Amino acid sequence: QVQLQESGPGLVKSSETLSLTCSVSGGSISGYYWTWIRQSPGKGLEWIGYVSYRGITKYVPSLKSRVTISLDTSKNQFSLRMTSVTAADTAVYYCVRLRDRILEPWGQGTLVTVSS
Amino acid sequence: SYVLTQPPSVSVAPGETATITCGGDNIGNRGVHWFQQKAGQAPVLVIYNDRARPSGIPVRFSGSNYGNTATLTISSVEVEDEADYYCEVWDMSSDLVVFGGGTKLTAL
Repeated sequence: QVQLQESGPGLVKSSETLSLTCSVSGGSISGYYWTWIRQSPGKGLEWIGYVSYRGITKYVPSLKSRVTISLDTSKNQFSLRMTSVTAADTAVYYCVRLRDRILEPWGQGTLVTVSS
Repeated sequence: SYVLTQPPSVSVAPGETATITCGGDNIGNRGVHWFQQKAGQAPVLVIYNDRARPSGIPVRFSGSNYGNTATLTISSVEVEDEADYYCEVWDMSSDLVVFGGGTKLTAL
């Protein structure tokens, strides 16, 4: 059974870069799409983007200029990098597998707080 | 961009049927997925492709999708079903994932 686990700093300073990694266990990262989704405190789910097993990426337009999602097949991991963060980027970040357009499974999520 | 509209909240008494809607332009032509998110937890898929149930999801969860409205129905609601529910589609025209705003289900 595939499991995903997010890791990375829980606190990032405003204007700096947020970097998170998702480790995939119980299955190969090859052959699927891998996504990041976030949820600001008390708010709904916001899709950030995906990276395919071939390295093709797609991002939500509102974040496209600041976000990079990449794949490391040798480590069975994928990553999120978001530049120039502000308080509005404070959220729980989830990594999720996308298979046949279905988002499952989800990681447990990691809270990232942007401090001034 | 494609927009999905959900009611902010739905309240039912335990044992009754809860209906949560998800409105979108011709949403009946798209595959709709539903997620349950309990407080402090990650979302869990409860319905995919309009009406299919993942293994482990109780049969009281069902879905339908026609015209401009997709519906998640929870029969004989239990207190443990209290959660936020989100609908989601893949917008093929833009190649983006779109979520509804979420509906908070309260079992009175």
